[in-house]
Amino acid sequence: DAKTTQPNSMESNEEEPVHLPCNHSTISGTDYIHWYRQLPSQGPEYVIHGLTSNVNNRMASLAIAEDRKSSTLILHRATLRDAAVYYCILRDPNDYKLSFGAGTTVTVRA
Amino acid sequence: GAGVSQSPSNKVTEKGKDVELRCDPISGHTALYWYRQSLGQGLEFLIYFQGNSAPDKSGLPSDRFSAERTGGSVSTLTIQRTQQEDSAVYLCASSPRGTGTLRSYNEQFFGPGTRLTVL
Repeated sequence: DAKTTQPNSMESNEEEPVHLPCNHSTISGTDYIHWYRQLPSQGPEYVIHGLTSNVNNRMASLAIAEDRKSSTLILHRATLRDAAVYYCILRDPNDYKLSFGAGTTVTVRA
Repeated sequence: GAGVSQSPSNKVTEKGKDVELRCDPISGHTALYWYRQSLGQGLEFLIYFQGNSAPDKSGLPSDRFSAERTGGSVSTLTIQRTQQEDSAVYLCASSPRGTGTLRSYNEQFFGPGTRLTVL
């Protein structure tokens, strides 16, 4: 499986944007970039996914580098509810398994 | 609508006992997954059910682990002769389909998990 590299932790103030980087230098042409997050004591939750173009949804934006070797998840205005572990993963569309690493623990200060 | 539910939420058992963990997926989802997450660890795939196809059991760590899915809906994960290393949070997820490029195929909906502690 292609691997991703994320910082262990990030801190943000409430109402400020959060930029979560993810490096995936060995990404293949068919791999989609997915982000999930896991709030304390809950199961993981889908956030967003994309292939080449930047993507936006109600939760976040995903900015993908032109060479696809890195991407950034953007939370536009962090709230206390966004405090979670964020996982960046690569998935082939034909692969149904999810596999998370350590992820980035996001702390939001009031 | 109702999400994925799992029961029990917590289970404490003694080493050597058998346990059953239950998962109720979202109605209409054909794909169902079991994962486990040990303390401070990432997500580990266990088993995958898709419709009437044979399940992918490649992630089950030993023959003490088994799972079934009855009527294409409810699933039960059984661990026989539990060991202390089985202690983890067991997560169930479902999705409309298992594979594909659309969000509707990709998004896996997770339940809250069952925290298993083997003493």
